[in-house]
Amino acid sequence: DVKVTQSSRYLVKRTGEKVFLECVQDMDHENMFWYRQDPGLGLRLIYFSYDVKMKEKGDIPEGYSVSREKKERFSLILESASTNQTSMYLCALRRGPGGPQHFGDGTRLSIL
Amino acid sequence: DQQVKQNSPSLSVQEGRISILNCDYTNSMFDYFLWYKKYPAEGPTFLISISSIKDKNEDGRFTVFLNKSAKHLSLHIVPSQPGDSAVYFCAASGDGSSNTGKLIFGQGTTLQVKP
Repeated sequence: DVKVTQSSRYLVKRTGEKVFLECVQDMDHENMFWYRQDPGLGLRLIYFSYDVKMKEKGDIPEGYSVSREKKERFSLILESASTNQTSMYLCALRRGPGGPQHFGDGTRLSIL
Repeated sequence: DQQVKQNSPSLSVQEGRISILNCDYTNSMFDYFLWYKKYPAEGPTFLISISSIKDKNEDGRFTVFLNKSAKHLSLHIVPSQPGDSAVYFCAASGDGSSNTGKLIFGQGTTLQVKP
């Protein structure tokens, strides 16, 4: 079974801090994704990666960056956290071509 | 520009009856559609998908219908159970040759099934 692990379920940070959200998979899947979920807006894609060191911007990349140094780990970085980045952050992976994405349990991030 | 739209924010049905959740899309390049279910404080769980070469796909109590000419898909849950109460997201994909699996999600519909 697919396992996507996000390091924190809940996180509280201060405005201006650099924030790291970690996502780890237990298999060798190539495609990984970061979304944020906000009420009334659904899930919006921030960044995705299709291999080690390969990344592409999604629909809302501003204020974020990502890192993928190893295939199993995909990190989302908030360079200087702001209150409008308070949200639920969801990591996902895709097992193979034509298949669905599978999600972690999410990180509820609050920026004070 | 919302390419995938779920126009009903919420839906309430009685246990045992049918639940019908709707989704509209604008991009005719989309060729793969999915439904996800999400409970509070959990990640979305994949429910069912359909390729654009089909107009119906069934899995147990869940059936997805695709009307390409209307750019509309729907999820039918029969019979509805209280445990089905959750937020349902539809999503679409159509990367073409790049095949990154990138999905575009709708806003979600909250389903409440009353005992």
